[in-house]
Amino acid sequence: DAGVIQSPRHEVTEMGQEVTLRCKPISGHNSLFWYRQTMMRGLELLIYFNNNVPIDDSGMPEDRFSAKMPNASFSTLKIQPSEPRDSAVYFCASSLLQGSGELFFGEGSRLTVL
Amino acid sequence: KNQVEQSPQSLIILEGKNCTLQCNYTVSPFSNLRWYKQDTGRGPVSLTIMTFSENTKSNGRYTATLDADTKQSSLHITASQLSDSASYICVVSDRNDYKLSFGAGTTVTVRA
Repeated sequence: DAGVIQSPRHEVTEMGQEVTLRCKPISGHNSLFWYRQTMMRGLELLIYFNNNVPIDDSGMPEDRFSAKMPNASFSTLKIQPSEPRDSAVYFCASSLLQGSGELFFGEGSRLTVL
Repeated sequence: KNQVEQSPQSLIILEGKNCTLQCNYTVSPFSNLRWYKQDTGRGPVSLTIMTFSENTKSNGRYTATLDADTKQSSLHITASQLSDSASYICVVSDRNDYKLSFGAGTTVTVRA
């Protein structure tokens, strides 16, 4: 299996621009998570989907952030408009079971907002 | 508030030597504790997952221990290799299971 696939790996954009990060979970996994990692705050859960349905989005920092999972093999995290404080590494992870049994992370998308 | 504290923040060891990383947590009710290895520029990779009833679990040269009474865990690396240079993150799950509490990580540098 190819594992969790994220794109782009790196994104540099200017403040105010829209950013879309993409994730393909491992086939057959029912749970999908978006995390953000910064030096100051470590790994933080942004949103959790189970069977394509958002279960918990309490970690989404602001209305500028939105996430969708239109089908079992694809999810997006969108930031509009982006701000410099959004600069971080964004990870997508998937799990076979409901909840976060054994979590498999993608390689991350490093976002820099200038 | 659920917290996970790791120590030391960083350490440097010589290739071939052993080291032990510590993790203390206050997560309650406890479901399981995991150790992840994160190489620079990569995503975290699971090393071990332990439930309440498990005291020790090994994965190659990595051995994790858990004392659920004192809420402490350790990760022991035996005969370190250069490829062990990474950040090691302790993660604790409560009964919600999907809400994980992450430690800040211990950065290990193995030198030849």
